Amino acid sequence: AQSVTQPDIHITVSEGASLELRCNYSYGATPYLFWYVQSPGQGLQLLLKYFSGDTLVQGIKGFEAEFKRSQSSFNLRKPSVHWSDAAEYFCAVIVLYGNKLVFGAGTILRVKS
Amino acid sequence: DAGVTQSPTHLIKTRGQQVTLRCSPKSGHDTVSWYQQALGQGPQFIFQYYEEEERQRGNFPDRFSGHQFPNYSSELNVNALLLGDSALYLCASSLGGDSNQPQHFGDGTRLSIL
Repeated sequence: AQSVTQPDIHITVSEGASLELRCNYSYGATPYLFWYVQSPGQGLQLLLKYFSGDTLVQGIKGFEAEFKRSQSSFNLRKPSVHWSDAAEYFCAVIVLYGNKLVFGAGTILRVKS
Repeated sequence: DAGVTQSPTHLIKTRGQQVTLRCSPKSGHDTVSWYQQALGQGPQFIFQYYEEEERQRGNFPDRFSGHQFPNYSSELNVNALLLGDSALYLCASSLGGDSNQPQHFGDGTRLSIL
């Protein structure tokens, strides 16, 4: 069965510093890939998605992610973090012709001033 | 443009009781999926409804059931509640039931079992 691994449970970065959140998936074929963000007490907001084509995808709030097939990875990046980016970030996949999102365990981002 | 709305926002039940959670999809969406998010974990897929039928189901017992109405809104029912059912229940809507359509989430219903 497909799975998603987010190796970092917590990450702390300084405001203005760059950010990279890691995500690896386990599946034979290339799935559809997503990053969601969840603020405390709220639902999930879609940051960006990858279906095919250009392996570097741009999302909302200045985030981007790069799909690397050889590494089965889909890491999320932001060049300069803002205090409002503090939240929990989830990587998720949908397998082709499937309908369910499979989520990683999430990475909690803390931003220090 | 109304997003996904869920009700109630919070609910407290005791073991053995039954609960019904409700979801209205984003305007224009016809597919509803339900997820359970336990504390400190990522959401787990429960099931998905499209054209008023359950299309796909995750690894949840039959105590978890659902329904989709002609207006595309949906209910999640859980019978014989267990302490382990305490979680945030998230509803997500999308268009057409295709995997290439992003799912949009509501803010969830926080269910606490005493």
